[in-house]
Amino acid sequence: GAVVSQHPSRVICKSGTSVKIECRSLDFQATTMFWYRQFPKQSLMLMATSNEGSKATYEQGVEKDKFLINHASLTLSTLTVTSAHPEDSSFYICSANSLQETQYFGPGTRLLVL
Amino acid sequence: GESVGLHLPTLSVQEGDNSIINCAYSNSASDYFIWYKQESGKGPQFIIDIRSNMDKRQGQRVTVLLNKTVKHLSLQIAATQPGDSAVYFCAETVSTSGTYKYIFGTGTRLKVLA
Repeated sequence: GAVVSQHPSRVICKSGTSVKIECRSLDFQATTMFWYRQFPKQSLMLMATSNEGSKATYEQGVEKDKFLINHASLTLSTLTVTSAHPEDSSFYICSANSLQETQYFGPGTRLLVL
Repeated sequence: GESVGLHLPTLSVQEGDNSIINCAYSNSASDYFIWYKQESGKGPQFIIDIRSNMDKRQGQRVTVLLNKTVKHLSLQIAATQPGDSAVYFCAETVSTSGTYKYIFGTGTRLKVLA
């Protein structure tokens, strides 16, 4: 149980384009989903927290207009990187939990912006 | 505070030996702690958790120790195997308006030598 999927697993895009990443909880209803970014050889940095049907809460320093988060259902959250630039290239990971504190992580999405 | 890691510390152990990975956390109010294992190119995988009302918890081949006095957490892996090679992160939870957020440690790379 507690499986979280992400799609796509890898994406390459041109600078200036937008990229959407999906995060799904496959066998449980996720009241809260989280989006993280991880640069090479670094730890996971929380970008934002989203609750179903509510606006996402962004961490300090994360541009909400650049990283659009939608959490329209209890099993799906999307992260859209708008007007992507090479410095946005990173490993994006989502996680989800239900009513408990334990977060279950997706497999991650590798974004490369050329 | 937030984890900022530019270089992952590495622990090298001989196959069959025990491994001890340490983590210092920052928030004395944190009451739930988790250890995750992350293999290259994948999302974090839950290993074991512990609440602040405990100082030790055992799983299969793994033990987590919590010392709240010095805000220190450790993960012990018994009879380390090649498949244990990965990066290990501790995470502490902080509650904000009823939502539990994770703050990840810097991470430690475990290398198992044959």
